Amino acid sequence: EVQLVESGGGLVQPGGSLRLSCAASRFTFSANWMTWVRQAPGKGLEWVATINQGGNEKYYADSVKGRFTISRDNAKNSLYLEMMSLRAEDTAVFYCARLLDVYVASGGYFDFWGQGTLVAVSS
Amino acid sequence: SYGLTQPPSVSVPPGQTANITCSGDKLGDRFACWYQQRPGQSPVLVIFQDNKRPSGIPERFSGSNSGNTATLTISGAQALDEADYYCQAWVSSTAVVFGGGTKLTVL
Repeated sequence: EVQLVESGGGLVQPGGSLRLSCAASRFTFSANWMTWVRQAPGKGLEWVATINQGGNEKYYADSVKGRFTISRDNAKNSLYLEMMSLRAEDTAVFYCARLLDVYVASGGYFDFWGQGTLVAVSS
Repeated sequence: SYGLTQPPSVSVPPGQTANITCSGDKLGDRFACWYQQRPGQSPVLVIFQDNKRPSGIPERFSGSNSGNTATLTISGAQALDEADYYCQAWVSSTAVVFGGGTKLTVL
C-alpha cells in the first residue's frame, strides 16, 4: 500500500523558517501530483499547496502564498514544504497526500495521507 | 471567496442512517468528496467524485451531490463510524477548499 512519511516538524519562533519533508514509497512517486494539507489544533483541514509531477506547476492557498514553497525531488521520492516568516497561526499538523484524477474537471481527490508532522510556532 | 458549510455535529442511533450535508454555491456543478478522520488519526477518503467509494470502504457509505448541497449518507451507522467528516471541492482549477467538518456521534 502507498506509504507517506512526513518529518521535519518542531518548535520554531515567530518569523522563523522550517523545512518539512515527505518520503513516499510503494507507488510511482514521479507520476503523481502531491499536496500539503494542514490542521490547526482542534480545527478542520486546510489545503496548503499542490505540485504537479514534474514540479513546474505549483498552487498555493492565499494564507501561505509568498511564504511557503512546495517542491519535490523525484529521484529521492520526496516532497518538501519550505516555510518562512512563520506565524503563530501556522501552528498545525501538516499532512502530505497523494492527489489523483487531477485531469478530471474538479474531480481531483486525496487518496492517501501520511501520519502528519506537528509544527508549533511560539516564542 | 468560495466556502463549504457543514453542520458542526450530527447524532444518530446505532443502526440508523446518518446524513451529513455540505453546502456551497452551485456545489452540484462540481465534484465533491468526503474524508473520515477518527481521533488522533489521519484523514481517510471515503467518497470521491460525488458518489464513488474507494476500495475497502464499506458499502454503507454513499454520496450524492445536487444543487447547492452534497450529502454523505451512512446507512446502518456503527460505533466505529464515529469520527469527524470533511467535504472537499475544487474552488477553481488551482485551489481546493474543505468544509469545516462534522462530528458524527453514534449513540
